[in-house]
Parts: sequence; C-alpha cells; structure tokens
Amino acid sequence: DARVTQTPRHKVTEMGQEVTMRCQPILGHNTVFWYRQTMMQGLELLAYFRNRAPLDDSGMPKDRFSAEMPDATLATLKIQPSEPRDSAVYFCASGRRGAGTDTQYFGPGTRLTVL
Amino acid sequence: DQQVKQNSPSLSVQEGRISILNCDYTNSMFDYFLWYKKYPAEGPTFLISISSIKDKNEDGRFTVFLNKSAKHLSLHIVPSQPGDSAVYFCAASETGNQFYFGTGTSLTVIP
Repeated sequence: DARVTQTPRHKVTEMGQEVTMRCQPILGHNTVFWYRQTMMQGLELLAYFRNRAPLDDSGMPKDRFSAEMPDATLATLKIQPSEPRDSAVYFCASGRRGAGTDTQYFGPGTRLTVL
Repeated sequence: DQQVKQNSPSLSVQEGRISILNCDYTNSMFDYFLWYKKYPAEGPTFLISISSIKDKNEDGRFTVFLNKSAKHLSLHIVPSQPGDSAVYFCAASETGNQFYFGTGTSLTVIP
C-alpha cells in the first residue's frame, strides 16, 4: 500500500528556530507539492516540483521558507527563522502528471506550533 | 484571491438523506476538478474527479456535477452515512498546472 510519508508528525519550536519538514513521495510519482492548511485560507500551495525541478514556489515567503528535492525519494521544506504565524499543518502530496489521472496523494501532515 | 470557493463552512445532514456540497470557481481555464475528503489528523484523500468534457461523474454513493457556464460544481452523497462526516475540499486545475483548493466544508451526518 503505497503512501506519502511525512516527518515529523508534530513539531513544537520556539520563535527564531529552524524547522525542517521531510516528505517521502510515492515511488514513481513525478510531482511533489507542499501545502499549508489554515482556517482562513484552506489549503494553500507553497511549492510544486515536477521531476525534482521547482516549478512554482510563488506561494512561499521567500525570505524564510525554502523547498528542495535532493533526490526523487525526499522533499524538504525549511523555515528559518520560524515565526508564530507559521503555526499550521503542512501537507506534502505527490502525483503523476501526464499519466491521464491527475490526482494528488497526500501525506498525513506535520502539525507545526511556533511559540 | 481565492480562485476556488466553498461558501458553506459546515453542513449537517440526517443519516440516509442526501448531502450536497457546493463549490464555485472563477477561472474559466480550469478543466479538471476533484473532491477530497479529510478526517481529523489525516491528510486529504481523493474521492472523485471530473473533467470539463463531462457534466456528471458517478462513483457509488458519490456523484459530482459540473456546470461550466455557472462555474459551479457540486458533490452529492446519497445516502449519507455517519462515516461520511469529514471536511470536504474541492480543487480545480488547468491540466498540467497547479491545483487550487477551496477552504473546505465540514459535513456532519447525524445518526
């Protein structure tokens, strides 16, 4: 049963600290997305990779957020320095574009609390 | 600016009755639409999709209707079951591009 995995599931940190969230996409998927869920905005797209290349990261605050895919099995989202307003649930999703079925599969999320 | 809107944050329905969840979009270039279901402490899971060449897609108790002229889609659940209680997100994309999600509708099915 292929699944997207995310670590950690929960993270509590203090303002100013660096936070790194990790995602392992489903093997064979060529797209990876990072979303942030907030009450007001729902699911906001932060970054989007296809074949490991960043396609769109316009939703990300560039001064503090960065997203990378060092290899096909790992995507990372970093926040440095973290702020209380970054508290949210961060989801990673993967999919296969161009396969005729344009569906994303979500991980369980990382709940981030910045004090 | 939200390109996909779910104007009802919550909905309560009696078990066995029909649940209708609504979604509106603004971008006429969107040609692929999906519904996701989300339980607490879990990621969203894919429920059903529809492409713009159709106006209806059915999968068991779930049916999605698309009205392109009104830029509106809806999800019908018949009959509703307590296990359907969850947050439902609609999403839309122009094929090959990113997905835009609504803010979600929390459905409660009352036994």
